[in-house]
Amino acid sequence: EDQVTQSPEALRLQEGESSSLNCSYTVSGLRGLFWYRQDPGKGPEFLFTLYSAGEEKEKERLKATLTKKESFLHITAPKPEDSATYLCAVQAYDSGNTPLVFGKGTRLSVIA
Amino acid sequence: NAGVTQTPKFRVLKTGQSMTLLCAQDMNHEYMYWYRQDPGMGLRLIHYSVGEGTTAKGEVPDGYNVSRLKKQNFLLGLESAAPSQTSVYFCASSSQRSPLHFGNGTRLTVT
Repeated sequence: EDQVTQSPEALRLQEGESSSLNCSYTVSGLRGLFWYRQDPGKGPEFLFTLYSAGEEKEKERLKATLTKKESFLHITAPKPEDSATYLCAVQAYDSGNTPLVFGKGTRLSVIA
Repeated sequence: NAGVTQTPKFRVLKTGQSMTLLCAQDMNHEYMYWYRQDPGMGLRLIHYSVGEGTTAKGEVPDGYNVSRLKKQNFLLGLESAAPSQTSVYFCASSSQRSPLHFGNGTRLTVT
């Protein structure tokens, strides 16, 4: 069974204090690992897709990395507007389209 | 460009009542999904569809039915609502070349 575990559940940072969120996964064969951002009262918003170990992607203050067992979302010098819940999901490789399996998320608060 | 639109945004039902949640996407995506999100449980897949006229069960399908008569629409039905179905429901769509795009959710309370 495909599983995704995110840690920590919640993280509180001071503005400018860099940190990382962790996503550990087990999947029969990884087709892709996805990061989403979710603001209160909204649907998740796509951030990144990673396909193979060693791959990295960046967007503004966010950088996602991938190994064979986990992914990290690094947040450099965060600002209050980075406060949100960050979701990780995996998609198993299949001949068809396999639905994503999501972790429970990390709730990030950045304090000015 | 609306993306994924869910109606209604909010609904309160009494136990035993029925309702249908509507999801519409304008991106010509093949795949559509219904998730529910509960505190501490994350997003859990209810049903999904890989194309017009097809549906499949997800992780938590009991108590729900779905239909995809048109490519752009995916309906989620509750035939006899229960308090355990109080949740936030998200619809999403995707294609082979596009990641999941979510709607902004329907907040359902069953009393």
